[in-house]
Amino acid sequence: GENVEQHPSTLSVQEGDSAVIKCTYSDSASNYFPWYKQELGKRPQLIIDIRSNVGEKKDQRIAVTLNKTAKHFSLHITETQPEDSAVYFCAASKGNFGNEKLTFGTGTRLTIIP
Amino acid sequence: GAVVSQHPSWVICKSGTSVKIECRSLDFQATTMFWYRQFPKQSLMLMATSNEGSKATYEQGVEKDKFLINHASLTLSTLTVTSAHPEDSSFYICSARDERTSTYEQYFGPGTRLTVT
Repeated sequence: GENVEQHPSTLSVQEGDSAVIKCTYSDSASNYFPWYKQELGKRPQLIIDIRSNVGEKKDQRIAVTLNKTAKHFSLHITETQPEDSAVYFCAASKGNFGNEKLTFGTGTRLTIIP
Repeated sequence: GAVVSQHPSWVICKSGTSVKIECRSLDFQATTMFWYRQFPKQSLMLMATSNEGSKATYEQGVEKDKFLINHASLTLSTLTVTSAHPEDSSFYICSARDERTSTYEQYFGPGTRLTVT
């Protein structure tokens, strides 16, 4: 089955600086890669996602890049703010009907230092 | 966006008893729902895929006789933890995809925190 690795496990960034979190996946059939932000005791919130037919996607301060050949994808947060502090998870799935189950990375605890 | 609810949000039960957790899609139908378990400071681990009108598909290592899943309608899936033990204490979260759309986004319920004493 799919295996998703995520690095780093913890990341501290000065407010205003950028943060980058990286994930690799093992199953070349995976074609959907979402990123989630989870605050303590809450549900995961989708912050951005990308499908395998696209190499990069951006939404304001958040961007995701995908390298299908190398089977890795990354989350980039620019101009970080204290409210960006949370645990971030990457995930992968085959995306289509009957194959939606998500395999999650191990998570990155991001701390923004004011 | 689509909304998924869970009930209860938290539950405390005694060892050996059973607990039922409900997952509902409020404004869409879902033939498939997913159940995850999350231990403190760990990632979400898929337990099983719930299929409306048929048997659930369990992930390797998940006991199907201990974690009973029933997906009786297109908007409701239930997870029953039978003969609960302290090691079953965890955060249980369900998710579903709005099959009316072409997006792959899954919507998560708010989670149920189970504590077994």
